[in-house]
Amino acid sequence: DTAVSQTPKYLVTQMGNDKSIKCEQNLGHDTMYWYKQDSKKFLKIMFSYNNKELIINETVPNRFSPKSPDKAHLNLHINSLELGDSAVYFCASEDGGANVLTFGAGSRLTVL
Amino acid sequence: DQQVKQNSPSLSVQEGRISILNCDYTNSMFDYFLWYKKYPAEGPTFLISISSIKDKNEDGRFTVFLNKSAKHLSLHIVPSQPGDSAVYFCAASAGGGTSYGKLTFGQGTILTVHP
Repeated sequence: DTAVSQTPKYLVTQMGNDKSIKCEQNLGHDTMYWYKQDSKKFLKIMFSYNNKELIINETVPNRFSPKSPDKAHLNLHINSLELGDSAVYFCASEDGGANVLTFGAGSRLTVL
Repeated sequence: DQQVKQNSPSLSVQEGRISILNCDYTNSMFDYFLWYKKYPAEGPTFLISISSIKDKNEDGRFTVFLNKSAKHLSLHIVPSQPGDSAVYFCAASAGGGTSYGKLTFGQGTILTVHP
């Protein structure tokens, strides 16, 4: 039973399209995150939500809009996709600080 | 401006020997450090961490060493096993480990352990 699950695993789309990536965690954690792994392999934080409240927004373009309908879900919607958005997006959750994140398997987005 | 760097993209080690993975950081505010391990097609998984009040933390075959003056940490795996072959990410945070997961990651080192 997967602790943090993301869908879809792979996404190939054209520039200018709008797409969403969904994330669900069944660990009962209060905090969820989106991280982006770029072509240089660095993992960079994009957003953090705690109990459905946005607490970190790392200067991500407005085209990216996270939505947390409840504390078990954090979805990522991307408008007007650009070539530079191609990356692997990881969802993660955490319980009670200490930075021990549980990551999903990642969603590879390719923008053509 | 990458505040956490892993300068070795890859490391190859014989089974049974020691693997040493290195990580350097530039931000003096970092006070909590972690290592994550990642297998292909999976997300990173937490391995071991260390607070800046310590210089060593050990968990089984894994030991992390922290040299604050040099802003350097290393992960030692002894003895190395083929199942340890993975990408290892170093990560750091400021705020005593309670910074809501705002981790700054290095770019990873691919460890290959040969039988």
